[in-house]
Amino acid sequence: LAKTTQPISMDSYEGQEVNITCSHNNIATNDYITWYQQFPSQGPRFIIQGYKTKVTNEVASLFIPADRKSSTLSLPRVSLSDTAVYYCLGGPRGYALNFGKGTSLLVTP
Amino acid sequence: ETGVTQSPTHLIKTRGQQVTLRCSSQSGHNTVSWYQQALGQGPQFIFQYYREEENGRGNFPPRFSGLQFPNYSSELNVNALELDDSALYLCASSGWNSNTEAFFGQGTRLTVV
Repeated sequence: LAKTTQPISMDSYEGQEVNITCSHNNIATNDYITWYQQFPSQGPRFIIQGYKTKVTNEVASLFIPADRKSSTLSLPRVSLSDTAVYYCLGGPRGYALNFGKGTSLLVTP
Repeated sequence: ETGVTQSPTHLIKTRGQQVTLRCSSQSGHNTVSWYQQALGQGPQFIFQYYREEENGRGNFPPRFSGLQFPNYSSELNVNALELDDSALYLCASSGWNSNTEAFFGQGTRLTVV
């Protein structure tokens, strides 16, 4: 499982775009990059997953450069309800998820 | 709602006791994983079950054990509880090696006193 490193915390104002970068230097060929969101006292919730280039869904975009040693989660126009912990994970699909400490995002008015 | 339900939601036990936590996986999912999340930390992988067999284990002692039933629901058993076992225990279900994400339950908050 890839070891990931991401900022411990970030602050943003409502309506701004937030980019959270994660480094994963030892990512393996069959590893995917997956991001989860977690609110206090709840289980993590899947946000987005990708292998390379760019993936976009209704809530976020994920950018993975060609060398795959890092990735960036982009949250467009955040709201107060986006305040949560965001985890970047690297590993093969369907196997154990390797959570780090995540990035605690605080969105303020 | 993820379709993954865990029971109980909260539990208080005394050091040395044993505890059983339960998880019902999402319909169609045959793989269940258990995680321990201490306060302020990310979830740590305990073990995974696929078709009633343990299919991977994290760095947890043997007093952490589990079961998966034919309907793919699962139990996590912890013997000889220690104070450090106090945590949120999360269950996640997924299809085996699938291209879908894991769906987590709300967790069971275990407090050991």
